[in-house]
Amino acid sequence: EVVLTQSPGTLSLSPGERATLSCRASESFGSSYLVWYQQKPGQAPRVLIYGASRRSTGTPDRFSGSGSGTDFTLTISRLEPEDFAVYYCQKSGSSPPFTFGQGTKLEIK
Amino acid sequence: EAQLENSGGDLAQPGGSLRLSCAASGFTVNTNYISWVRQAPGKGLEWVATIYSGGTTYTADSVKGRVTISRDDSKNTVYLQMNILRVEDTATYYCARRGGDHGFYYFDPWGQGTPVIVS
Repeated sequence: EVVLTQSPGTLSLSPGERATLSCRASESFGSSYLVWYQQKPGQAPRVLIYGASRRSTGTPDRFSGSGSGTDFTLTISRLEPEDFAVYYCQKSGSSPPFTFGQGTKLEIK
Repeated sequence: EAQLENSGGDLAQPGGSLRLSCAASGFTVNTNYISWVRQAPGKGLEWVATIYSGGTTYTADSVKGRVTISRDDSKNTVYLQMNILRVEDTATYYCARRGGDHGFYYFDPWGQGTPVIVS
């Protein structure tokens, strides 16, 4: 079973700054299966990026994803106030388990 | 528009049972993969179970033997039957549809979540 480890656990930045979030897998898998979600307090998660780098409908272009194998990255080029939230990576695909990382909390500095 | 509505969460005693519901609109559950994901208070997301369009089911090792996922096609609803509840099952439970195609998959949409408290 693949384990996803996200870092850092908490990232403190100011609006306008660049955010870089990491997701590392315990074993390699196809990048088509790497998904990033955003979750705000009291809300269900929503998909931002799938296939490691493809933006979901409605995802602003300041969000970008990259990586392959075991190392994946979510980058937010210039933080807007609404971007402060918790971000999760997930291994999707055809076969479970559909593992999630433990999350990175992006907070306002 | 595809939507999911969760219900059934409640306060339950350890050892008790609950059945959670996930009612779909805008699509049919029997042609999609539907999953349950839970989130303990202040914690991250944990995949719990999935039912495939063909009816095959999978459950996480952490709940295997105590949790069953099923669906009622006539009601376009997926269920999560939880038995022998433990304090550590306390969480908000979300259902989600597998979206995407051609090898690119993700969970979308999600239900609004339903809270389960075991105490």
